[in-house]
Amino acid sequence: GAVVSQHPSRVICKSGTSVKIECRSLDFQATTMFWYRQFPKQSLMLMATSNEGSKATYEQGVEKDKFLINHASLTLSTLTVTSAHPEDSSFYICSASNVRFVTEAFFGQGTRLTVV
Amino acid sequence: SQQGEEDPQALSIQEGENATMNCSYKTSINNLQWYRQNSGRGLVHLILIRSNEREKHSGRLRVTLDTSKKSSSLLITASRAADTASYFCATGSSSNTGKLIFGQGTTLQVKP
Repeated sequence: GAVVSQHPSRVICKSGTSVKIECRSLDFQATTMFWYRQFPKQSLMLMATSNEGSKATYEQGVEKDKFLINHASLTLSTLTVTSAHPEDSSFYICSASNVRFVTEAFFGQGTRLTVV
Repeated sequence: SQQGEEDPQALSIQEGENATMNCSYKTSINNLQWYRQNSGRGLVHLILIRSNEREKHSGRLRVTLDTSKKSSSLLITASRAADTASYFCATGSSSNTGKLIFGQGTTLQVKP
């Protein structure tokens, strides 16, 4: 299957700072990328959908000013957690898809964010 | 938002036994997928079943889909200790390519 690389895999940051997470599709063009968040012992919650070259669509309850998503190219989407707080500590995971695959989405390895 | 419930939330069995997990969902779907996640790790795609399919096999995995009941089941036969993980169902709709809504998950422990 297609490969999606997410970086970094782990990051620790101080409260009030911003953290950028990258999601790259390595061998296909990702027309759409999705960002999920997973709290410990819980399921994955969809945060937002980003289409290349357009603004992201955020799910209800997700602050767009806090979680900035950029999908400037067909192989890269970034999620920036701005002014991070301890409650933002979570596992963030992206997935990427292309209309050619119709139903398939390929997941990155995830990023463990800890805000201290 | 969560799509639905997974049942049971936790399951503990002995190696060699079969494990069955159920998933229910609320809306119309194009497909339903099952994923495995080891503690603190990423997702591993197990199997995809389309809405016009009723049953699918892959190795020791058997997935069923009943669209009239909006439910699916995942059966792992002859379980192994290495199958210990959390298992999630996720539904995909035809309106959003690749967008998945996840169930709450089942934590499976297989004791050696």
